[in-house]
Amino acid sequence: QSALTQPPSASGSPGQSVTISCTGARSDVGGYNYVSWYQQHSGKAPKLMIYEVSKRPSGVPDRFSGSKSGNTASLTVSGLQAEDEADYYCSSYAGSNNYVFGTGTKVTVL
Amino acid sequence: EVQLVESGGGLVQPGGSLRLSCAASGFTLNTYAMNWVRQAPGKGLEWVSIISGGGGSTYYGDSVKGRFTISRDNSKNTLYLQMNSLRAEDTAVYYCAGEGFDIWGQGTLVTVSS
Repeated sequence: QSALTQPPSASGSPGQSVTISCTGARSDVGGYNYVSWYQQHSGKAPKLMIYEVSKRPSGVPDRFSGSKSGNTASLTVSGLQAEDEADYYCSSYAGSNNYVFGTGTKVTVL
Repeated sequence: EVQLVESGGGLVQPGGSLRLSCAASGFTLNTYAMNWVRQAPGKGLEWVSIISGGGGSTYYGDSVKGRFTISRDNSKNTLYLQMNSLRAEDTAVYYCAGEGFDIWGQGTLVTVSS
């Protein structure tokens, strides 16, 4: 199972928006509405930010939103804040009780 | 407070074995499927394995199939990962995570080196 493709980096100034893509295939992202997004600060465990494409767990700010079109999912962080600087990973259910993660995107707040 | 705490990591020689544990607190483990996810140094996340709530169904990523075994003891509220025939490329921080990857432990480092 190949990793989902994410851009290595993204950046924006405080208050701006940044969108990260996550490209897979019909066998994973395109075939299921089970795409999740995680935030990982350096040296810390990942934190779930979005699940089932666009749902936010309790406590996650509404500045974080998710969507999907075809084989590509996206995470948008609006109103960027300094604490949003982190690595972001997507994941998708890939059928047959398998899961696949994305390659990761480093978000820098300028 | 809902918490997962991994243990059992360390330095092991190539070809060796190691068993990781993941102790849950603040919730009853037996109602949830559980995952293991790993992250090699400086690299991305890789899904390793999942086990059903009752322990009767287990699934593995291709890179560990036949070498790793996931199990659970619901009476102890603990998840395990038995790792055999370890290779240098298995070096990583290993995280246990909840069914929807909604809860994560802090991770335990496994280093495979001679």
